[in-house]
Amino acid sequence: DAGVIQSPRHEVTEMGQEVTLRCKPISGHDYLFWYRQTMMRGLELLIYFNNNVPIDDSGMPEDRFSAKMPNASFSTLKIQPSEPRDSAVYFCASSSGLDTGELFFGEGSRLTVL
Amino acid sequence: GNSVTQMEGPVTLSEEAFLTINCTYTATGYPSLFWYVQYPGEGLQLLLKATKADDKGSNKGFEATYRKETTSFHLEKGSVQVSDSAVYFCALSDGSSNSGYALNFGKGTSLLVTP
Repeated sequence: DAGVIQSPRHEVTEMGQEVTLRCKPISGHDYLFWYRQTMMRGLELLIYFNNNVPIDDSGMPEDRFSAKMPNASFSTLKIQPSEPRDSAVYFCASSSGLDTGELFFGEGSRLTVL
Repeated sequence: GNSVTQMEGPVTLSEEAFLTINCTYTATGYPSLFWYVQYPGEGLQLLLKATKADDKGSNKGFEATYRKETTSFHLEKGSVQVSDSAVYFCALSDGSSNSGYALNFGKGTSLLVTP
């Protein structure tokens, strides 16, 4: 079975540009999570969805960040406008929501904002 | 709120040495505890877990015991290999559907094993 698929794997852009990161969760998983990883702050939960509905977006840093999940097999994380401090690895993860606690992570999207 | 604190790295060991990575947690209720591993260029993957006090999680020679009295979940391995070089994350879930079973992660401990 395919795991969580993220694209692009690497993105280099200039400050002020719009960035869109994409995620396809594992089929049948009801929960989808977006995490950001930096050296300084480690792994931070940005937002999570249950059955395509955003449940908790308290980790989204500011209004420049937005996330959507239009259907069960696709989610996007958008940054507009991007800033150098947004440079990080962004991970998408999904889970079945059963009481196993296991999250399945994608390989991440490494974003560099110049 | 819930949080996890793990020892800072990097940790450098020779092959076949004993490994301990400390992890302590703060949580209300009865959380589940996890260790995830991240190999270079990859996403995180579950290494082991424990869902209640005194449970021992184990996998690939790694072990960790859920100690409620010391709020700890230290990772151990008796004899590390070069292939164990990775970043290890301790994590906590409050185990409720209210949180979507989201995980709170520690900052990670980098392990380098030399031949």
